[in-house]
Amino acid sequence: KAGVTQTPRYLIKTRGQQVTLSCSPISGHRSVSWYQQTPGQGLQFLFEYFSETQRNKGNFPGRFSGRQFSNSRSEMNVSTLELGDSALYLCASSLDDNTDTQYFGPGTRLTVL
Amino acid sequence: QQQVKQSPQSLIVQKGGIPIINCAYENTAFDYFPWYQQFPGKGPALLIAIRPDVSEKKEGRFTISFNKSAKQFSLHIMDSQPGDSATYFCAARDSNYQLIWGAGTKLIIKP
Repeated sequence: KAGVTQTPRYLIKTRGQQVTLSCSPISGHRSVSWYQQTPGQGLQFLFEYFSETQRNKGNFPGRFSGRQFSNSRSEMNVSTLELGDSALYLCASSLDDNTDTQYFGPGTRLTVL
Repeated sequence: QQQVKQSPQSLIVQKGGIPIINCAYENTAFDYFPWYQQFPGKGPALLIAIRPDVSEKKEGRFTISFNKSAKQFSLHIMDSQPGDSATYFCAARDSNYQLIWGAGTKLIIKP
């Protein structure tokens, strides 16, 4: 089975712009979670989607949003980018919403100038 | 209460040594404690995990020790190799099935 794929892998934007990141989960997985990873801060949970519904949401401002499609693919959007949004954005998929193991993609490296 | 505190932030060990990474938590509702390993340019990958009804779990050279009363758990790597050099994250799952992550430990194994 193919692993979790994320596109694009690298992105450079300027302050005030918006960005959309994409995640394709492992085939058959219905749960997708998004994380922001910055040096020294570990992984900060953004949100989780299961069967097209947002199940959990982390403590991020409303500029961060996401959605999940009927084929389980997910997108996250960040509007009005700030310098502090520069980070590695990771997507993880799991079989369903209470499965133990999350499988991570390689991430999208976002740089905001 | 939702925090997982991980230490040390970085660790350098000679090949063959036993690096130990520690994590502590407060929320007694956490029910699943995984460790993830992350290499540069890759996403984290599950290494080993434990549930609170077990005090120790071994998988190959990796061992988790779990102390429920102290609310602490740790990762030990036996006979460490340069290929084990990576960042290690502990995590704990809450009642909403959300993983709460430690800040990570950058481990370097010197040849």
